[in-house]
Formats: sequence, structure tokens, C-alpha cells
Amino acid sequence: QVHLQESGPGLVKPSETLSLTCTVSGGSISNYFWSWIRQPPGKGLEWIGYIHYTGTTNYKPSLESRVTISVDTSKNQFSVKLSSVTAADTAVYYCARHREVPAFAHGMDVWGQGTTVTVSS
Amino acid sequence: QSVLTQPPSASGTPGQRVTISCSGSSSNIGSNTASWYQQVPGTAPKLLIYSNNQRPSGVPDRFSGSKSGTSASLAISGLQSEDEADYYCAAWDDSLSGLYVFGTGTEVTVL
Repeated sequence: QVHLQESGPGLVKPSETLSLTCTVSGGSISNYFWSWIRQPPGKGLEWIGYIHYTGTTNYKPSLESRVTISVDTSKNQFSVKLSSVTAADTAVYYCARHREVPAFAHGMDVWGQGTTVTVSS
Repeated sequence: QSVLTQPPSASGTPGQRVTISCSGSSSNIGSNTASWYQQVPGTAPKLLIYSNNQRPSGVPDRFSGSKSGTSASLAISGLQSEDEADYYCAAWDDSLSGLYVFGTGTEVTVL
């Protein structure tokens, strides 16, 4: 059973960089796409971007200038960095897996439990 | 701002059938498949339906999905108390360089 676990600081200061890591256990990071999704308090889900295990990335256009997603296949981990954060970036951040099929046709079938990140001085 | 529109709420009594709509456009649901996610408050979303009408292993057949044109629908038949949750549709959007979009979400209440 594949398990995803997000980790990283729960508090980030405004204008600094948010950094989170997702560790994949119970399976390989290879042969899948991996996404980051966030959910502001009381609001809906927002896709941030994905990375393929080969390193190919795609980001939500409105976040593209601030986001970097990377993968470390040797550690079975992938990470997200979001720069110049503001209070609007306060959210629960989830990592999730999706299969190598076009256009996310099989959806995101495995999710982490989520980690809360608060942006505040 | 989400490009997939859902009703903010839906409700029914135990045993009833509830349907949730998801309205999109030609660049998302109109040209790609829809998925549905269930999120019990305080927990991570769970994949309920993919490829418009396919259920992952373990999802009860009370949940069914369909798609017509630029809209998708989720039906819950034989509503149960444990179905009380938020439901989100989602699809790949081909605009710009492509992005995954979620619906606005629907809160289902079991009366």
C-alpha cells in the first residue's frame, strides 16, 4: 500500500520561501506523476503543479513564477518550493499521485494526509 | 477562481438519491475526462470517480458518474450518513500550457 507523507515547517514568514517534501513509502516514485495541491482554510482545492519522476514539470500558470517542484528518486521524495509567500498562501498542502495517462484521466488516486502551513510574522 | 462550477450544497434523507452537477467548458470537461473526489472535513480528499464513470477499487457502487458535453455529474444513490462530506469535480484544462482544475465544491448533508 503506497503511503505519502508531507513534511516541512508549519510557519513561514511573509516574503520568505515555503518548502515542503513528500516522502513516498510502500512503492516506487518511478512511473508516476506527482502533484502538489493546497486548500486555504474554509476554501476549495487548488492544484499547484506536478512533476514526473523523470523531472518533467508543469505548474499552474498563476503560480508559475513562484513555484519549483523537484524530485529525488534516490530518496523516493519530491518537493515544492513557493517563494515570496504572503498570507494568501496559508493553506493545508497535500501531495498526491497520478498515473502516466494523458490529462490526469485516472485522477489522483493516492493522497498524503496534508500539512498545514501558516504564513505569518 | 475555479473554472468548474458546482452547487454549493445538496442534501437528502437516508436512502434518497442525490445528484451533483459540475459545469465546465470546451477546454476542460468538453475535451477531457472528469474525476470526482470526496473530502470528509479535516481529512484528505479521496478519489471517488475517474474517467467520467469509473470507480476505483473499494468505492461503493452507490456512487456513479456521468458526462455530457461540457458538464459532469455525480450521483449518490441510497444516501448514507457517512456520505456527508464535500465533493469536488476536477478535470485537466487544455488552456495555456495546461493545468488541473477543481470544481468549487459541494457540501452534501444527510438530513
